[in-house]
Amino acid sequence: DAGVIQSPRHEVTEMGQEVTLRCKPISGHDYLFWYRQTMMRGLELLIYFNNNVPIDDSGMPEDRFSAKMPNASFSTLKIQPSEPRDSAVYFCASSLGLGGDTQYFGPGTRLTVL
Amino acid sequence: GQQVMQIPQYQHVQEGEDFTTYCNSSTTLSNIQWYKQRPGGHPVFLIQLVKSGEVKKQKRLTFQFGEAKKNSSLHITATQTTDVGTYFCAGDNPLDSSYKLIFGSGTRLLVRP
Repeated sequence: DAGVIQSPRHEVTEMGQEVTLRCKPISGHDYLFWYRQTMMRGLELLIYFNNNVPIDDSGMPEDRFSAKMPNASFSTLKIQPSEPRDSAVYFCASSLGLGGDTQYFGPGTRLTVL
Repeated sequence: GQQVMQIPQYQHVQEGEDFTTYCNSSTTLSNIQWYKQRPGGHPVFLIQLVKSGEVKKQKRLTFQFGEAKKNSSLHITATQTTDVGTYFCAGDNPLDSSYKLIFGSGTRLLVRP
């Protein structure tokens, strides 16, 4: 199995630009999670999906952030417009279930907003 | 809301010394998971503990789950440079219907060769 795939691995953009991060979960996993990691705030859960349906988006910081999962093998996290404080590593993870099930993380996208 | 704290934030040890990180939750957990993130890498699952007072070992790593299921520890015996990274605990609150995993703040381990 290829594991969770994320693209791009690195993204450098200017403030005000739209940024789209992509994720392909492990086949057969029903849950997909988007996390943001910074030195100051650690690992934060932004949103998660169950069977392509957003379940909890309480971690999404602002309306500038949106996430979609059009099918079981693809999800996007979009930031529009981007701001320098959005600079972070964004991880996508997937799992078979919640709670006690292992989460498998992708390699992450390092976003820098200038 | 539920909080999971880890101490210490950082630990710098000489290779061969032992290391322990502690995880404390504000609420009782149904299980605890531990993850390791190498520098520049992503979190990777290490182990899961479910039972009160449970102890599990993986070679030089010993994991414990507290009797009240609100705290946990990871102990590494005779650290090696390959142990460098950030160790996260994560747990879910059985009273939270969302069953979300809440990750701790992490302990960053540095090992001097």
